[in-house]
Amino acid sequence: EPEVTQTPSHQVTQMGQEVILRCVPISNHLYFYWYRQILGQKVEFLVSFYNNEISEKSEIFDDQFSVERPDGSNFTLKIRSTKLEDSAMYFCASRGPGGGPLEALEQYFGPGTRLTVT
Amino acid sequence: AQTVTQSQPEMSVQEAETVTLSCTYDTSESDYYLFWYKQPPSRQMILVIRQEAYKQQNATENRFSVNFQKAAKSFSLKISDSQLGDAAMYFCAYRMRGSGSRLTFGEGTQLTVNP
Repeated sequence: EPEVTQTPSHQVTQMGQEVILRCVPISNHLYFYWYRQILGQKVEFLVSFYNNEISEKSEIFDDQFSVERPDGSNFTLKIRSTKLEDSAMYFCASRGPGGGPLEALEQYFGPGTRLTVT
Repeated sequence: AQTVTQSQPEMSVQEAETVTLSCTYDTSESDYYLFWYKQPPSRQMILVIRQEAYKQQNATENRFSVNFQKAAKSFSLKISDSQLGDAAMYFCAYRMRGSGSRLTFGEGTQLTVNP
């Protein structure tokens, strides 16, 4: 069964450093998402991406964050200057084509990248 | 803005028994989707079941079923014949109709299954 993959599984970085989290969505999917989960808290939406541009972003997704689909397979989340409060699990998700009765297709989540900022 | 509330931070159930996890949500939309996700200790998010708001029939997936009360904005998950592998954090989630729409999650309910 196709799956979303994420690398690395765990990233440790120092405050102020830039990090790039990588995701490979399912190959025929068109919609891509990043979510984060601070330890012990609920999963929060960061950003959605479609047709090579951001379609929606939350208030969390400020100028420190950016997303990119540099080629036909990868989807990346960059944090320019990490803060202690960026420590969290970051989940990538993707979803297939929409419209009509297939629109309810689920978002498939990757296994997550645990980011630790020291 | 849409909100999702899970009022039970923790629940426990005996193996082979039935447990119901509660979820309420708030929205002004009439057409939307609701989901239950399971998050085991590995922290992978796994879809358990989904419900389209325009469908009156409650969704079922093997031992998992929902009680969807649209007027009350309630969406509970029933797990029958609970198994040790069901132990996990369970998140209720809402999504507006619309291709790129985000998922909005509740706070989660930690389910313990006792042997």
